[in-house]
Amino acid sequence: QKEVEQNSGPLSVPEGAIASLNCTYSDRGSQSFFWYRQYSGKSPELIMSIYSNGDKEDGRFTAQLNKASQYVSLLIRDSQPSDSATYLCAVNMGERGSARQLTFGSGTQLTVLP
Amino acid sequence: DGGITQSPKYLFRKEGQNVTLSCEQNLNHDAMYWYRQDPGQGLRLIYYSQIVNDFQKGDIAEGYSVSREKKESFPLTVTSAQKNPTAFYLCATSGLSDEPQHFGDGTRLSIL
Repeated sequence: QKEVEQNSGPLSVPEGAIASLNCTYSDRGSQSFFWYRQYSGKSPELIMSIYSNGDKEDGRFTAQLNKASQYVSLLIRDSQPSDSATYLCAVNMGERGSARQLTFGSGTQLTVLP
Repeated sequence: DGGITQSPKYLFRKEGQNVTLSCEQNLNHDAMYWYRQDPGQGLRLIYYSQIVNDFQKGDIAEGYSVSREKKESFPLTVTSAQKNPTAFYLCATSGLSDEPQHFGDGTRLSIL
C-alpha cells in the first residue's frame, strides 16, 4: 500500500526559530511532492512544490527532496505565530503527466510560540 | 473572480437521504477531485475526473457518486449507503501537467 508518513506532532517552536517538518513516502517512483498549509477549519493551501532532488527556496520556506532516501522536508525560517497550522505533505504516486493522484500524510500540527 | 466554489458551506443529512455537494471552477482546469477529511487526519481521495463524461474511483468511493457533464462542474452525491458521512469534503482542481492541486473552501457535512 502506498503511504506517506509525517513526523507526529504537535511541534512547538519559539517565534524566530526554524521549524523542521519531515515526510517519508513508500513509492520509490514518485515524481512530484507538495507541501500544503491548513489552518484550523479551513481548506489546504499550497506552500511549495518540488520535483527534483535538492533544495527549493521560496521566501522563508525551503523544501528539501532526497529521492534516494524517499524523504522530503519543509523548513520554515524565522517562524511567526501566523505560521501556526497543520502542514500536509502530499506525494503524487502516479505517472508524471497524468492527473495528480495525490496521497496525503496525516499532517503535522505546528505551533509557534510568541 | 477566478477560483473554485464549493457549496453549501455547511450541510446536514437526515437518515436515508441523499445529498449533493457542488463544486464549480472557472480556472479551465481539466482535472477535478473530491477528498474527504476526518478530524486529525489527512485527505482521502473519493473520486477524480480528468475529462468530461469520465471519472475514476479513488480510495474510498463506496457510498458516493459523481458526474462530470461539463468541464466546470463536478458534483458529489453522498448516498444513504454511506453510513458515516460526517466529514469535511474538499474539492480540488489541477491541470494535467505537473501543476499542483488547488482546493475550494470545503463543505462540512453532518448527520441530523
